[in-house]
Parts: sequence; structure tokens; C-alpha cells
Amino acid sequence: ETGVTQTPRHLVMGMTNKKSLKCEQHLGHNAMYWYKQSAKKPLELMFVYNFKEQTENNSVPSRFSPECPNSSHLFLHLHTLQPEDSALYLCASSPPQSGGELFFGEGSRLTVL
Amino acid sequence: SQKIEQNSEALNIQEGKTATLTCNYTNYSPAYLQWYRQDPGRGPVFLLLIRENEKEKRKERLKVTFDTTLKQSLFHVTASQPADSATYLCALDSGGYNKLIFGAGTRLAVHP
Repeated sequence: ETGVTQTPRHLVMGMTNKKSLKCEQHLGHNAMYWYKQSAKKPLELMFVYNFKEQTENNSVPSRFSPECPNSSHLFLHLHTLQPEDSALYLCASSPPQSGGELFFGEGSRLTVL
Repeated sequence: SQKIEQNSEALNIQEGKTATLTCNYTNYSPAYLQWYRQDPGRGPVFLLLIRENEKEKRKERLKVTFDTTLKQSLFHVTASQPADSATYLCALDSGGYNKLIFGAGTRLAVHP
């Protein structure tokens, strides 16, 4: 138990569906992240939020839309995805100081048909 | 271009031996480097952090070195056990605040 909870753990969706991934952390951290992990590829940083403000958007397609309503919750809204978007989506949080370790959730395994 | 390279081939070793994993990087000047462990179907778990002014860091049977001249970090698991079998990821500070960039990881398999 890392203190970072992701739901759902598994999601299958068609290319025309709209779904959302949810992340919640109970660690009192102020920074939250979305990473994408595809098979045999490095984790790709997608979005970073510090104190609810987005500080990083790593050239992510607009079909991925993040939302951070407060420091404890982070969402990733998905619409009109492509099969190549199938991957493990990992949420993480960290304390506000630079160099803080990341605490990851268990991930949401997404399959786009 | 900026790159982080870890050996993509799995490392197979006998129980009790020391495993050494390598992380090389180019075109970065990280203030620190971190190592994580990832088991299949799970999220990565933080193991160690080493800063640019530190040569070596230890935690129980784990040892990390950081050579900013060679642009390389080595991760050692001494007296390895089958339970150490996992994928190990290195990650470094890319210069942006809280912007950690990961290598693809090396899978370690420790055989009894």
C-alpha cells in the first residue's frame, strides 16, 4: 500500500467511448503526475501538477485531458482514443521539494479496441 | 538528443552473487538520480536517491554509485535472493522542477 490509489485497475474501451481514470493520494503531497508505460518502453511523463496547477504537459495529444480539482485527486479524461494508446497509466505523487521520491499507484491497464 | 540507457537484456544470476545494473545518460546534467523497483503488474517502488555530489549510497544490501564524469550510475544488489527478481528502473532529474525521466529498466532474475 503506497498511499496512492488508482481506479479502475483495468479498463477496456472502444475508440468512440469517453472514460476517466481516477487517482487519489492520502500522503499530503502537493505534486501529482500521470505517466504512460508501454511494453518495453520507458515510462513517459505526461502531465505534472504542483499545488493543483499544471506545470508540465509533455506534448500529449488533446484526446487525453487531465483534471486536478485539489491536491489529493487527479483525473485523466479519455476520449476518441486510438489502439496505440493501450498501455499502463500510472499516477504518482511527491512532496513539494525538488528531489522528492515518487509514490506510484498500481496503475490502470487500458485497452483500446 | 537526451537519452537514458539501461541494458534491455535480462540479467540472470545465481543466488548469493552480486548483481550489477548500469544506467548511462547523455545530454543531461542531473542534480540527482533515483532507482526504483517494479514487479509485474505493479507500480514502481522507490529504492534509493543519490545526489550529484555523492559518490556512493547504501541501503541494506543495495549500493548505488554515481559518476557524473562518466555520466553513469551503477546499482548493486549484494548477496542476491530470488525475491530480488524484478525490473529495476533508473530515473533522473531532467532539469525541470519535479520532472523525473525514466530509463526503460533492466529485468533481474535471481535463480536458486
